Amino acid sequence: RKEVEQDPGPFNVPEGATVAFNCTYSNSASQSFFWYRQDCRKEPKLLMSVYSSGNEDGRFTAQLNRASQYISLLIRDSKLSDSATYLCVVTSTGGGNKLTFGTGTQLKVEL
Amino acid sequence: DGGITQSPKYLFRKEGQNVTLSCEQNLNHDAMYWYRQDPGQGLRLIYYSQIVNDFQKGDIAEGYSVSREKKESFPLTVTSAQKNPTAFYLCASKYRGWDRDTEAFFGQGTRLTVV
Repeated sequence: RKEVEQDPGPFNVPEGATVAFNCTYSNSASQSFFWYRQDCRKEPKLLMSVYSSGNEDGRFTAQLNRASQYISLLIRDSKLSDSATYLCVVTSTGGGNKLTFGTGTQLKVEL
Repeated sequence: DGGITQSPKYLFRKEGQNVTLSCEQNLNHDAMYWYRQDPGQGLRLIYYSQIVNDFQKGDIAEGYSVSREKKESFPLTVTSAQKNPTAFYLCASKYRGWDRDTEAFFGQGTRLTVV
């Protein structure tokens, strides 16, 4: 089983739709969690950290469920500019601050 | 400006040659990472380092080597033992702590093509 798993998509949604991505992780000792965004042929950039209590940044909401070992990202009122690959990232202390990425979920927002 | 720099952006090599990819950061980060990304795939961890003169294998270390002689620098050598070296290579750095806000910053990547 992979350490961090995501549905690869692609998710094709119309502009204005709400879309949700899930990510599961296998290491129960994982410490911190992030969502990154990667545009085609570019480096990943931080979208948001994921807090235990859940957090929101504009149209984006992230949730963490430690008991079930998954994190989620909700995008409301999606824009054409949201089209990208969304990567979930997990940091674990075992092995010294290892930073593991999921395979990414591709989102395409269409007119 | 602080940041993380990878060079070169594009690199072409003949099969059987070793090649070294550069990664330099001036963010005063302890931890540095190398990832490989193939088309349509996620990032796979090659090597990572928490402090100077120490590094650990990631999930796909075979055919690669690294060094960490200075805090700012974490070069990656792709050796002739790496069977499929053509890929997009990304270097990242972050503070060593595990605080939820210690995000990783990435360089712009090096596209290596072996012919």
